[in-house]
Formats: sequence, structure tokens, C-alpha cells
Amino acid sequence: DTGVSQDPRHKITKRGQNVTFRCDPISEHNRLYWYRQTLGQGPEFLTYFQNEAQLEKSRLLSDRFSAERPKGSFSTLEIQRTEQGDSAMYLCASSLGQGETQYFGPGTRLLVL
Amino acid sequence: GNSVTQMEGPVTLSEEAFLTINCTYTATGYPSLFWYVQYPGEGLQLLLKATKADDKGSNKGFEATYRKETTSFHLEKGSVQVSDSAVYFCALSTPYNQGGKLIFGQGTELSVKP
Repeated sequence: DTGVSQDPRHKITKRGQNVTFRCDPISEHNRLYWYRQTLGQGPEFLTYFQNEAQLEKSRLLSDRFSAERPKGSFSTLEIQRTEQGDSAMYLCASSLGQGETQYFGPGTRLLVL
Repeated sequence: GNSVTQMEGPVTLSEEAFLTINCTYTATGYPSLFWYVQYPGEGLQLLLKATKADDKGSNKGFEATYRKETTSFHLEKGSVQVSDSAVYFCALSTPYNQGGKLIFGQGTELSVKP
């Protein structure tokens, strides 16, 4: 068991560029969650998947954000036309199912200049 | 709605001191409650959890009891170590019909001095 992995760990981009992050959950975990954490705050929910189906999106997830989980394995989170306010740590978590413990990856730290 | 409120940090203690970090919650239904810890430069790790009222979660000398009557889940440790320095997050898991996502408090930074 290698845990949840995320790539890249750090990303610096210029305002207006598109970025994509990847999350590999623990194998056989069918739930996958994305959260965003800004400095000095707790993580905030963005969206989650049950297998390949995206079941909920937070109002924080503007139309510039899109997430996918093809084949119910890894997931990607894309941010189009990045803004400085998108600078944050993006966290991925996975769990065996509803109500089970969520295990977090190390996060991708995004800085938009 | 669902929310979690933690005591503000930073909290600075001497080694072997007693630790309490207060956490209260507001929730519909009966959530599960969690404490996660984030060590410097690392990801969130589950520290302990409790799934129903009066349950006590414990791990690595830390304890927290799910108190439904006071809607609280305070974290305690009898004797802290320098290695406990980290940010601690209280969280609740929304019920089945709300997707089971985690709602976090703002975090409490703990610094333990030798």
C-alpha cells in the first residue's frame, strides 16, 4: 500500500494559464475527494467521485475548474485561466466508501503569479 | 448547516505539559468526528476518530470523546512532546445523504518547547 499520491507537488504558473493536477488514490478505494486549503485555514471540500461518477461539486468549484476520474482510478483536477485567488494547496483523499476513513495525499501547492 | 469551530492558535506548551484543544460542531444528523494532524511539510494524517456519541477515540496518547450533549470533541494529551508540534484539525463527516465529505475547523497550531 503506497498511500495516496499527488503530482506535481508544487506548481508555479502565470495568471491566465491552465494547470492540471493528478491524484492516484489507494488501490480499491472507490471514493475520491478533492479539497482546497489556503494558508491558515482548514481544507474545504471541492468535489468527490464514487468510482467514475462525479456526485457532488461545491459552489467553490467555478466553471473554470473541472475534475475527472476516468475508469474510476486516478483523478485529474484542471483549472483553466488561473487567477491569483486560485493559489492554494490542493488535497486529494480516498476512502473505501461512504463513511469510511479518508486518507489524504501530500497535496499540490499552486502559486499563481 | 454543518460547521466546526476550533480554539485559535498558536498554542505554545513546554514538554510534558497537558494539552487541550477545544472543538465544537454544528451538524444535522449524527456525524462521525475526526482529528487530523499535519506535521510540517507533510500531508494530513488521521489521528483519531469517533463514530457515535460517547465514543472515545485514542491514538499515540491523544484522546477525544464524542459529546453529543455539548456538541464537542475536545482533543487531550496528558504529556506532550516536542515531536507533537504540528497543526491539528477537527473535522466532521457529513451524513450519508450529504456525501460523507469532511468539514474542517480552521486548525490549531501547537508548538512544544523543550
